[in-house]
Amino acid sequence: GAVVSQHPSWVICKSGTSVKIECRSLDFQATTMFWYRQFPKQSLMLMATSNEGSKATYEQGVEKDKFLINHASLTLSTLTVTSAHPEDSSFYICSASDRQGAGKTQYFGPGTRLLVL
Amino acid sequence: AQTVTQSQPEMSVQEAETVTLSCTYDTSESDYYLFWYKQPPSRQMILVIRQEAYKQQNATENRFSVNFQKAAKSFSLKISDSQLGDAAMYFCAVFGGTSYGKLTFGQGTILTVHP
Repeated sequence: GAVVSQHPSWVICKSGTSVKIECRSLDFQATTMFWYRQFPKQSLMLMATSNEGSKATYEQGVEKDKFLINHASLTLSTLTVTSAHPEDSSFYICSASDRQGAGKTQYFGPGTRLLVL
Repeated sequence: AQTVTQSQPEMSVQEAETVTLSCTYDTSESDYYLFWYKQPPSRQMILVIRQEAYKQQNATENRFSVNFQKAAKSFSLKISDSQLGDAAMYFCAVFGGTSYGKLTFGQGTILTVHP
């Protein structure tokens, strides 16, 4: 149980294009989903928290218009990197938690590697 | 505010031996949870063990156990009978807060297992 999928697993795009990453909870209802960014050999940096049906809460320093988050259902959240630039290249990870479950545990997707040329 | 500190950037252990990874944290929350996650080369984050702060008993999961010292705000992970598959980056994390709580991660410890 508690499986989170992420799609695509990797993407290469040209500078200026937009990229959408999907995060799905496969066997539970995710009342809250989280989006992280991770650079090589570094820790995870929380970008935003999204609750189903509500606007996402962004961390300080994260551009809302750059990283659009939609959490339209209890099993799907999307992150759209708009007008991507090389500095947006990174590893993006989503996680999902079911507050009905035990201990506010977050279950993580496998991540998406984004390379912007 | 929450902070997590992992003071060991790298650790190594011989296969079948025991290793302990250190973690200290700080939180203003009275109700919080502590986690250890591992991230192998695939970069998939995998939950290793979870501890509720209100529980005095240390959590265990097979070869993994924690030493939770609430007063000292310490949460170390012990891996017994280390296996090659245990090689990974290990992250300590604390979750605190009510409806919109956040998971705060430490800097991570790279564990190498020698055959």
